[in-house]
Amino acid sequence: QVQLVESGGGVVQPGRSLTLSCAASGFTFTTYGMHWVRQAPGKGLEWVAFISYNGYTKYHADSVRGRFTLSRDNSKNTLLLQMNSLKPEDTAVYFCARDGITYDSGRYYIDQWGQGTLVTVSS
Amino acid sequence: QVVLTQSPSASASLEASVKVTCTLSSGHSTYAIAWHQQQPEKAPRYLMKVNSDGSHNKGDGIPDRFSGSSSGAERYLTISSLQSEDEATYYCQTWGTGPLIFGGGTKLTVL
Repeated sequence: QVQLVESGGGVVQPGRSLTLSCAASGFTFTTYGMHWVRQAPGKGLEWVAFISYNGYTKYHADSVRGRFTLSRDNSKNTLLLQMNSLKPEDTAVYFCARDGITYDSGRYYIDQWGQGTLVTVSS
Repeated sequence: QVVLTQSPSASASLEASVKVTCTLSSGHSTYAIAWHQQQPEKAPRYLMKVNSDGSHNKGDGIPDRFSGSSSGAERYLTISSLQSEDEATYYCQTWGTGPLIFGGGTKLTVL
């Protein structure tokens, strides 16, 4: 079955960096675009970033553009989110998620979710 | 940019039916949406994609009690024979040329 397993969350001071990982299994990772979505405590879902199946196309939310960088290693079925210059408002559970369309560089709908990893930005 | 509007809360009795609504902003009535369920303290779960013509494609393992439909700019999620485990927040989500967009969520209480 499809599995998306995030790791790398933790407590970090404002201005510091953190890298999240998502290990994918149970499907052909190289054919799907992937997303990160976050959820601040007690809040709704906020889309963060997308990377196309081949890694050539990336999109970031305005709130993280220039600070967060998305990448993927298709040889290891792994998605990465490098988060720099972290702010307290970046505190959230971060979910790795799969796009529902294969072999496309556009962003569509999410059809699989990971269990999430908590990032807390605090001094 | 498209905006999705959902009522913050809904309630219905055990074994009853409920319809959750997601409204697309003006000029975006042809957009498809996806529904996601988030039970308390759990990750979201994809339920289905609902097209503007009312057709829908459910995710693997989603019970027949869950169905989708459309009318104009509104997209619906209907849950029949409500169970206690259906108590959750339901989010609609759509897409365009910009970011993925989520509605604010509807918290469903099963009485």
